[in-house]
Amino acid sequence: LAKTTQPISMDSYEGQEVNITCSHNNIATNDYITWYQQFPSQGPRFIIQGYKTKVTNEVASLFIPADRKSSTLSLPRVSLSDTAVYYCLVGLHNAGNMLTFGGGTRLMVKP
Amino acid sequence: EPEVTQTPSHQVTQMGQEVILRCVPISNHLYFYWYRQILGQKVEFLVSFYNNEISEKSEIFDDQFSVERPDGSNFTLKIRSTKLEDSAMYFCASSEAGDRGGYTFGSGTRLTVV
Repeated sequence: LAKTTQPISMDSYEGQEVNITCSHNNIATNDYITWYQQFPSQGPRFIIQGYKTKVTNEVASLFIPADRKSSTLSLPRVSLSDTAVYYCLVGLHNAGNMLTFGGGTRLMVKP
Repeated sequence: EPEVTQTPSHQVTQMGQEVILRCVPISNHLYFYWYRQILGQKVEFLVSFYNNEISEKSEIFDDQFSVERPDGSNFTLKIRSTKLEDSAMYFCASSEAGDRGGYTFGSGTRLTVV
């Protein structure tokens, strides 16, 4: 199982772009990279997933370099409501597979 | 947007009592999961369920735990004899057959064992 490393916490201000980088040096060939968001006392919420290069959806972008040993979640123009814990997960992630959550990155958005 | 619904939102029980946590997964999803999160700690996998049987379980999911899909809509987690250390948020999740980790989680049941 690929180990992930991400900053424990980050601070930002409203309207800024936030980039959270996750290291996963021993990612396997068939592994996917998935990011979740969790607000206090709520379940994790799927944000985005990718295998290589760049993926973009209505919420975020995910940048994955060619060696896939890291990935960066980019949140454009954050607001106070983006204050949450963000988790980077790496694995096969086939339906039915367990997801392994690490400690995540606690993002605090300030006014 | 379809949701995973969990009931109750809070449950307080005495040590040694049995509890059943209930979940209604998204209707066209085929895979179901339970996770838990002890206060201040990581989200931990308990069990996954597919085609009316457990497909994967963690070391946490011992003989005190069981899961069931009693009808076409509910998915339950039973803890037979609760312990203080079972106090946690319990999250149900579901996914489609083709999903790769894009699971939908419910809002959780906060279980407090006293």
